[in-house]
Amino acid sequence: DSGVTQTPKHLITATGQRVTLRCSPRSGDLSVYWYQQSLDQGLQFLIQYYNGEERAKGNILERFSAQQFPDLHSELNLSSLELGDSALYFCASSVEHVDTEAFFGQGTRLTVV
Amino acid sequence: GENVEQHPSTLSVQEGDSAVIKCTYSDSASNYFPWYKQELGKRPQLIIDIRSNVGEKKDQRIAVTLNKTAKHFSLHITETQPEDSAVYFCAAVHPNAGKSTFGDGTTLTVKP
Repeated sequence: DSGVTQTPKHLITATGQRVTLRCSPRSGDLSVYWYQQSLDQGLQFLIQYYNGEERAKGNILERFSAQQFPDLHSELNLSSLELGDSALYFCASSVEHVDTEAFFGQGTRLTVV
Repeated sequence: GENVEQHPSTLSVQEGDSAVIKCTYSDSASNYFPWYKQELGKRPQLIIDIRSNVGEKKDQRIAVTLNKTAKHFSLHITETQPEDSAVYFCAAVHPNAGKSTFGDGTTLTVKP
């Protein structure tokens, strides 16, 4: 167990819908990262928050947004869902915002039908 | 932006042999290079990392080397075991920006 908790583990929804994925970082970690992993694909960095502020942005679609709350948990919002958004979404956390080990949650598997 | 290329995409070795996976990066400012192992259906887990002020790091059967001039780094696994079978990802992290760029992964199969 990495100490990073993601909910829900599985999510099935229809095209055009909106979903929210939740991540609770390890105790003491200030940085939260979101990644997308499509079937048989590598890890695509989406966005990073550090102590409540957006720190880095990757290839995140405009339909997607995220935030980190004062208690450091984070949410990834995916809207106007398309079939191609089906993927495993990982959250990771680390103590500092750079060059420290990131611990991954078990992921949320999103299926858009 | 940063681009990380990882080779090979698949690697099959006999148990006891060594395995080498190579990554190249494009942004010379990247200064942290972690390697993750992802078993089927599980989360990626850090197995070793190296910072730009170090040329080599070893942890038991696993080692990583970094050549900053050539902008490439490699993962070396010696005396491979079937439980080493997994997908391995390299990554390059840009300082201050905190942005991680991952390679596309290498599927390692260790045959008993």
